[in-house]
Amino acid sequence: EAQVTQNPRYLITVTGKKLTVTCSQNMNHEYMSWYRQDPGLGLRQIYYSMNVEVTDKGDVPEGYKVSRKEKRNFPLILESPSPNQTSLYFCASSSGLNTEAFFGQGTRLTVV
Amino acid sequence: AQSVTQPDIHITVSEGASLELRCNYSYGATPYLFWYVQSPGQGLQLLLKYFSGDTLVQGIKGFEAEFKRSQSSFNLRKPSVHWSDAAEYFCAVRSSGGSYIPTFGRGTSLIVHP
Repeated sequence: EAQVTQNPRYLITVTGKKLTVTCSQNMNHEYMSWYRQDPGLGLRQIYYSMNVEVTDKGDVPEGYKVSRKEKRNFPLILESPSPNQTSLYFCASSSGLNTEAFFGQGTRLTVV
Repeated sequence: AQSVTQPDIHITVSEGASLELRCNYSYGATPYLFWYVQSPGQGLQLLLKYFSGDTLVQGIKGFEAEFKRSQSSFNLRKPSVHWSDAAEYFCAVRSSGGSYIPTFGRGTSLIVHP
């Protein structure tokens, strides 16, 4: 089954403790992206990647890192999480021109 | 830069009534347009998309949307709403090149009264 898989689905952590949210897709898509969703703000793009080893900042990249060492994986790294990064995070992938983005189920992160 | 405006934060309709959710976009060239739905606690599901051709597109669950270039709009419609349609709806625009990753509006929350 074609899918985008995020882990974990739920995470509660403390301020400053490094964490990684994994994202994997099995559709051989070149394009991957991370969004955060906050009430009243919709989905805002954090980082995106157009291919292996090619990443770029989205609209709200501060406090986040990503890597794209393999085509299928696009982890989101929070080196020192803060409470303002409490949010619902979505990973998405797309094969390019004439297709839509496919989304993971989301990761609800709480930083206390 | 591309952007999307969904002017209605909340919409309340009665079950069986018709629905129209508004979406306006800003983009210099011909956009690729999408509507996604997010049910409570779920991820995003694609309802429909417009890339080119017929400006009236049909989607899943009985939804349709019409692309109007002159108004920079891509409004979502459904003739008769069901209680299960209660969800958050997001309009998105994407360029024909570049990152191929869409920009989303802030969403419209649909409430359905019995």
